[in-house]
Amino acid sequence: DVKVTQSSRYLVKRTGEKVFLECVQDMDHENMFWYRQDPGLGLRLIYFSYDVKMKEKGDIPEGYSVSREKKERFSLILESASTNQTSMYLCASSSEDSNSYSNQPQHFGDGTRLSIL
Amino acid sequence: KNEVEQSPQNLTAQEGEFITINCSYSVGISALHWLQQHPGGGIVSLFMLSSGKKKHGRLIATINIQEKHSSLHITASHPRDSAVYICAVAGGTSYGKLTFGQGTILTVHP
Repeated sequence: DVKVTQSSRYLVKRTGEKVFLECVQDMDHENMFWYRQDPGLGLRLIYFSYDVKMKEKGDIPEGYSVSREKKERFSLILESASTNQTSMYLCASSSEDSNSYSNQPQHFGDGTRLSIL
Repeated sequence: KNEVEQSPQNLTAQEGEFITINCSYSVGISALHWLQQHPGGGIVSLFMLSSGKKKHGRLIATINIQEKHSSLHITASHPRDSAVYICAVAGGTSYGKLTFGQGTILTVHP
């Protein structure tokens, strides 16, 4: 079974802090994603990565950065945390099919509920 | 208007009832995903389909590409089916990026 592990289930930080959320997958997946989930807004893509050291902005990248130094690990960084970044953060991974127009299911972590005070 | 619309937003059923959740999308897609999220946050992929119909246990997913519409059916619903069901579509990129619907909150009473 694919395992996507997020480092914390719950996290409380203060405004202005630099916050790191870590995600590790054990299935050698090429693609990794960071989402945030807010009531009434659903899941929104922050950043994704399709290879080591490669990253692309999603729909809401402002205030965030990412790092992918190793294939299995994808980190989300809140450069200077603000209260509007209080949210549920979900990491996911998927493999890359050899057919470029094909897709694979995404495997999600359990989520990190982040509160910024 | 959202690219992916789900209906209903909330659904309450009695145990044993047949349930249908609908998803309409407005963009060209390469695949449509149905996901399940239980309280506590974890999301599980139920189906990925690009045509026709798939069945897994009591769950059935169908898609009509021409009408840009998909349905998720649950037969003989059970309280453990209570969850949020999310429809998501994948475009033609090779990175598997998804666009998500708002989700349907399903509550099944005993």
